[in-house]
Amino acid sequence: GAVVSQHPSRVICKSGTSVKIECRSLDFQATTMFWYRQFPKQSLMLMATSNEGSKATYEQGVEKDKFLINHASLTLSTLTVTSAHPEDSSFYICSARLLGNTGELFFGEGSRLTVL
Amino acid sequence: DAKTTQPPSMDCAEGRAANLPCNHSTISGNEYVYWYRQIHSQGPQYIIHGLKNNETNEMASLIITEDRKSSTLILPHATLRDTAVYYCIVRSPGGATNKLIFGTGTLLAVQP
Repeated sequence: GAVVSQHPSRVICKSGTSVKIECRSLDFQATTMFWYRQFPKQSLMLMATSNEGSKATYEQGVEKDKFLINHASLTLSTLTVTSAHPEDSSFYICSARLLGNTGELFFGEGSRLTVL
Repeated sequence: DAKTTQPPSMDCAEGRAANLPCNHSTISGNEYVYWYRQIHSQGPQYIIHGLKNNETNEMASLIITEDRKSSTLILPHATLRDTAVYYCIVRSPGGATNKLIFGTGTLLAVQP
């Protein structure tokens, strides 16, 4: 299957700082990528849909100024958690869909953010 | 997208077939059934998907009932590495954003 890579896989930061997470589709192009968040023992929660060359679409209840998403190319989307707080500590996962595909999405390995 | 119902957990003996059920009674005609799994602390992994015919690949088989209101994912010879949360999702691939909405899934524990 197609490969999606996230970086960093783990990050620890101090409260008040900003953290950027990258999501790359390594062997295919993706006009649309998705960002999820997962708290311990819970399911994945969709945060936003990232569209190449346009603004991201955020799910209800997700603060767009808090979670900045940029999809600058067909292979890269970034999620920046601004002014991070301990409650932002979570597992962040991205996914991407193949162009012209009937629908399966491929997921990155996830990025675990810990805010002290 | 239609909602799905899955048992919260299941056990399976190593080497035996694991049959994971999913109910999707409100599925519409253009919606596919997708299965993903998530091993602890990893991103979800695509397993299989289908519309109305049964499907098989190197990982699993997908059996969809004739009325399409339920389906079963079959892992023919479960191994300890198959211990994971399995998610059944129904969606239309032609939807505006093609997003996947995850439910709570089934935690499959493969026992030695």
